[in-house]
Amino acid sequence: AQSVTQLDSQVPVFEEAPVELRCNYSSSVSVYLFWYVQYPNQGLQLLLKYLSGSTLVESINGFEAEFNKSQTSFHLRKPSVHISDTAEYFCAVSGTSGTYKYIFGTGTRLKVLA
Amino acid sequence: DAGVTQSPTHLIKTRGQQVTLRCSPKSGHDTVSWYQQALGQGPQFIFQYYEEEERQRGNFPDRFSGHQFPNYSSELNVNALLLGDSALYLCASSLAPGQGAYTFGSGTRLTVV
Repeated sequence: AQSVTQLDSQVPVFEEAPVELRCNYSSSVSVYLFWYVQYPNQGLQLLLKYLSGSTLVESINGFEAEFNKSQTSFHLRKPSVHISDTAEYFCAVSGTSGTYKYIFGTGTRLKVLA
Repeated sequence: DAGVTQSPTHLIKTRGQQVTLRCSPKSGHDTVSWYQQALGQGPQFIFQYYEEEERQRGNFPDRFSGHQFPNYSSELNVNALLLGDSALYLCASSLAPGQGAYTFGSGTRLTVV
């Protein structure tokens, strides 16, 4: 079984400042890791994923996350945030076999301040 | 290319009633999963359908049931609705289980009164 912990329920940050959203997971098997973003009254949009290969993965809009197996973490970072990044961010884990169901964290609300 | 389509977008039901939610997966995807997202929470896995069979089920009572059709679309049925069933229900599809990341629809907001 897997579990995901997102320690920060809310993260306020000023525009153009860097941000890190933390995600730690627990699993007895190999995992795939994901970050999804959810804007108000919308579904989830995939931000980035780690399936295999390089432990540093990047999204097209400037976010990156690094898979750290020893620390069981997959923190999301962005060097300079924009107002439009204000949203809820969810970290998810799945096993690498079976049905690949996602286990989600409780989410981190990123609020970018002008 | 249409993504995952869910209907209806909003629904209000009375406690004890039954509801059916519908999902059309992204073109080319044949695996559909359903998630329940309560207000302020992360999504919780309900079940997954592949090849018209339920492959795995989360910790949800038998009041929650589903179906997948030959065209890969899916339905989620909830019987004997409770107030606690009020949530955003999300459908996610993928190209076979484990093939890349799931694509989510915008969800159906169910309110039970």
